[in-house]
Amino acid sequence: GENVEQHPSTLSVQEGDSAVIKCTYSDSASNYFPWYKQELGKRPQLIIDIRSNVGEKKDQRIAVTLNKTAKHFSLHITETQPEDSAVYFCAASDRDFGNEKLTFGTGTRLTIIP
Amino acid sequence: DTGVSQDPRHKITKRGQNVTFRCDPISEHNRLYWYRQTLGQGPEFLTYFQNEAQLEKSRLLSDRFSAERPKGSFSTLEIQRTEQGDSAMYLCASSLAPLDTQYFGPGTRLTVL
Repeated sequence: GENVEQHPSTLSVQEGDSAVIKCTYSDSASNYFPWYKQELGKRPQLIIDIRSNVGEKKDQRIAVTLNKTAKHFSLHITETQPEDSAVYFCAASDRDFGNEKLTFGTGTRLTIIP
Repeated sequence: DTGVSQDPRHKITKRGQNVTFRCDPISEHNRLYWYRQTLGQGPEFLTYFQNEAQLEKSRLLSDRFSAERPKGSFSTLEIQRTEQGDSAMYLCASSLAPLDTQYFGPGTRLTVL
């Protein structure tokens, strides 16, 4: 089955700087890669996702890049703000026509230092 | 609130007792998923439904676990003879279609004493 590794486990950045979180996956058939943000005591919420037919996707201060050859994808947050502090999870799905089963990474605790 | 809801939000039980959790998906979402999340880890897939049909079960789901979605709307997850290792957050998610985003509920935190 799929295995997703995520690094780093913790990350602290100064407010206004950029943050990068990296994930690798094992199943070359995976074709859907979402990122979820989970604040303390709250539900995971999708912040951005990418499918294997594109290499990059951007939404305001958040971007995701995908390298299918190397089987890794990354989350980039620019101009970080205190409200970006949370745990971020990457995930991958190995279904051809859907995203039924998500395999998650172990999470990155991001702390924005004011 | 039109999001995914779960009940109860917290459950404390003694080892050996049975517990049942409920999940109400977003209206008209035909796919419903159960995940388990332990402290410091990402959610782990347990099982999922398309309407009332249970399409996949993880090997994490031992014989003590059973899930149902009888009318293709809400779902229940039952754990029989709970063990301390069952302590975790149980998350439910739903999506409208195979290619759609999975929206998560707030979870049920289970503590087995």
